Amino acid sequence: LAKTTQPISMDSYEGQEVNITCSHNNIATNDYITWYQQFPSQGPRFIIQGYKTKVTNEVASLFIPADRKSSTLSLPRVSLSDTAVYYCLVGDLSGGGYQKVTFGIGTKLQVIP
Amino acid sequence: DAGVTQSPTHLIKTRGQHVTLRCSPISGHKSVSWYQQVLGQGPQFIFQYYEKEERGRGNFPDRFSARQFPNYSSELNVNALLLGDSALYLCASRPGLAGQETQYFGPGTRLLVL
Repeated sequence: LAKTTQPISMDSYEGQEVNITCSHNNIATNDYITWYQQFPSQGPRFIIQGYKTKVTNEVASLFIPADRKSSTLSLPRVSLSDTAVYYCLVGDLSGGGYQKVTFGIGTKLQVIP
Repeated sequence: DAGVTQSPTHLIKTRGQHVTLRCSPISGHKSVSWYQQVLGQGPQFIFQYYEKEERGRGNFPDRFSARQFPNYSSELNVNALLLGDSALYLCASRPGLAGQETQYFGPGTRLLVL
């Protein structure tokens, strides 16, 4: 399984764009990159998933360079409600074998008024 | 549409007891996974079930077991509870086993072992 490294914490002011980068040097060919958001005492909430290049949805963008050894989650114009822990996951989600998705410690984002 | 549901929401047990946690996946989802999240850490994978068969097991002792029913709901059982089993137990479901499918988590069951 590809190990991920992301900053333990980040602070940002309301209205700013936040970029959280995750390193995954040992990513394998079949691995997808997935980001989750988690509030205290709640289950993780899916934000975005990608395999290569750029993916955008209504809440975030995910940038993946050609070598796929890192990825950047971009949150546009954050608000106080975006204060949460953000997890970067890398793993083979295909059904050929078993699914074993590994979470790291995550990045604790604190949005400041 | 209902998301992943888990019961109970909170539970208090004493050491040595047994506990059963329940999970109902999103309608149409056939794969269910269980995770343990201790305070300050990310979720740790325990089991994955698909079509009632175990498809993956994390690094947890045999005191942990699970099963999936014909309606795709699932139970996680933990025997001989230890203080260290206190955690948030999360259930997640996805449609199947395809690589691009998204996994959705339930709200979790908070277990406290005294």
